[in-house]
Amino acid sequence: EIVMTQSPATLSVSPGERVTLSCRASQSVSSNLAWYQQKPGQAPRLLIYDASTRATGIPARFSGSGSGTEFTLTISSLQSEDFAVYYCQQYNDWPFFGGGTKVEIK
Amino acid sequence: QVQLVQSGAEVKEPGSSVKVSCKVSGDTFNNYKITWVRQAPGQGFEWMGGIIPAVGAIHYAQKFQGRVTITTDESTFTIYLEVSSLRSEDTAVYYCAREDTLMPAPYYFDYWGQGTLVTVSS
Repeated sequence: EIVMTQSPATLSVSPGERVTLSCRASQSVSSNLAWYQQKPGQAPRLLIYDASTRATGIPARFSGSGSGTEFTLTISSLQSEDFAVYYCQQYNDWPFFGGGTKVEIK
Repeated sequence: QVQLVQSGAEVKEPGSSVKVSCKVSGDTFNNYKITWVRQAPGQGFEWMGGIIPAVGAIHYAQKFQGRVTITTDESTFTIYLEVSSLRSEDTAVYYCAREDTLMPAPYYFDYWGQGTLVTVSS
């Protein structure tokens, strides 16, 4: 089982700030990593797949990077609609998700 | 527009079973893999298993082997998840999701259903 660890658990940010979220895998997952955004009461939305490819309709302020065991999701300038919980998911092996990072208003 | 439409919330007693449905379009049914993922209250996600309806290939997470069954109804493009021997720890929102692949190997989930809350309580 590949364990996915996200940090920090919670991030307090002001609108307009640059945000960097981290995701670490317990063993290499190559570039088989996705990022999702989830708002309260909603299903997750795919943001990034293959570590750095934006999904259809995702704004350019979202970007992903990394490979192997270390990955980053960056939001270049946080908008009000971006306050949510973000999850990473590896699919190099049977799918496992990270515990999530909550981005909240500072 | 890709849509995965799930059945409504359920309340079940411990030891019983629940069957959740996920209705998709014919294109999605025939050309993609459908996966079930659950999220316990305030928790993260747990992959349960998936099916490639076009070929009938099914995979279950080891944790759920023997207690979870995924089936399809080709006539209505519906995928079902049945969980038996329910316990309180099975209380969760159950999601179906589409994987952008027809291969058995795991992939990312590009579209999700709206979720079905299953509450297990006596």
